[in-house]
Amino acid sequence: DQQVKQNSPSLSVQEGRISILNCDYTNSMFDYFLWYKKYPAEGPTFLISISSIKDKNEDGRFTVFLNKSAKHLSLHIVPSQPGDSAVYFCAASENYGGSQGNLIFGKGTKLSVKP
Amino acid sequence: NAGVTQTPKFRVLKTGQSMTLLCAQDMNHEYMYWYRQDPGMGLRLIHYSVGEGTTAKGEVPDGYNVSRLKKQNFLLGLESAAPSQTSVYFCASGQVTGETQYFGPGTRLLVL
Repeated sequence: DQQVKQNSPSLSVQEGRISILNCDYTNSMFDYFLWYKKYPAEGPTFLISISSIKDKNEDGRFTVFLNKSAKHLSLHIVPSQPGDSAVYFCAASENYGGSQGNLIFGKGTKLSVKP
Repeated sequence: NAGVTQTPKFRVLKTGQSMTLLCAQDMNHEYMYWYRQDPGMGLRLIHYSVGEGTTAKGEVPDGYNVSRLKKQNFLLGLESAAPSQTSVYFCASGQVTGETQYFGPGTRLLVL
């Protein structure tokens, strides 16, 4: 059973507009969340993360929001640029009480930003 | 500082052949991982290591073996390749498990 779900395989956005990528999780013990970006023929690169003690983390054009009660997180990209076109993976882990688990990845969402 | 490197970049195998994929990191990370990525499946953990001389099974370990004889290297072996092992393999490393991992560029493997 998937513990981390990205229900939208793809998303198309106009340049300059906001891109919102969504991720849901089922394991309530997850307390650390990450977003990775992946270009074709390259490895995933770390984008931004958030701990469960926060509900928002911002880094330039990228903001991650965490709604623990809904077990939902989202990545906002504002403004979107053509260079943001890539596959975005959501990942989660359970670090509670020092019991550090491995990262569990979602299946990814392919973002296309059109000029 | 090369980060995480993988060798080879691409390989074609026949069913039943064996091969070893090499991963090297120069960040002095304790943790290393091998993932496979298949269309529509995301990244699935094959094996991982929490330090030199240690290995552990991940989500999809069958058909693979690993070794971590040196801290900077993590080897993934296929003893008898099968077409189901056609995939893109990514190695990653990290200082703390469950937190940020740094990925290599990937190895594309085709098993005929």
